[in-house]
Amino acid sequence: AQRVTQPEKLLSVFKGAPVELKCNYSYSGSPELFWYVQYSRQRLQLLLRHISRESIKGFTADLNKGETSFHLKKPFAQEEDSAMYYCALSNQGAQKLVFGQGTRLTINP
Amino acid sequence: KAGVTQTPRYLIKTRGQQVTLSCSPISGHRSVSWYQQTPGQGLQFLFEYFSETQRNKGNFPGRFSGRQFSNSRSEMNVSTLELGDSALYLCASSLAGEGLSPLHFGNGTRLTVT
Repeated sequence: AQRVTQPEKLLSVFKGAPVELKCNYSYSGSPELFWYVQYSRQRLQLLLRHISRESIKGFTADLNKGETSFHLKKPFAQEEDSAMYYCALSNQGAQKLVFGQGTRLTINP
Repeated sequence: KAGVTQTPRYLIKTRGQQVTLSCSPISGHRSVSWYQQTPGQGLQFLFEYFSETQRNKGNFPGRFSGRQFSNSRSEMNVSTLELGDSALYLCASSLAGEGLSPLHFGNGTRLTVT
């Protein structure tokens, strides 16, 4: 069965510190992985997807198939990064996402 | 472009009743997906419609159904409501022809069943 695990429900770091939000998945095929973000009072929105291999708002994520992980990283956290972050997996192009439980990231000034 | 619009924003229903939620996708988007969000289970996929056909389905009972109209607008229906159906229901649209396109979410409809 497909599953996405975000082990940290809450993560708090200081402004300027590095951030890493963990995501592990279980899937036997070749998944597509995503990070979605929800800022306060805003709708859920796509942050980045692994096939794009791009950096968005300073965030990057590398798919590690050996460790079945897709951790989200940013070298220097900013206060505006405070939000709820969801890791999600899709089955090879199927328009159906399996979400993790989410990590609430708080950046302290 | 206007974003995904869901109506109503809030609903209060009684056990045993039925409810219909509406979703208007972004103009040009042909795929509409529905998700249920609860504190305990998180975000769970309900179903996806593309060109008026259900293309993917999650693991929800038959009380949950949906449909899509020719203008891509979608409705979701829940019959014989149970207390556990209380949740935020999110709709998402995407271009989605072949392959996976990014989802654009609405603000959701918060359903409370008493």
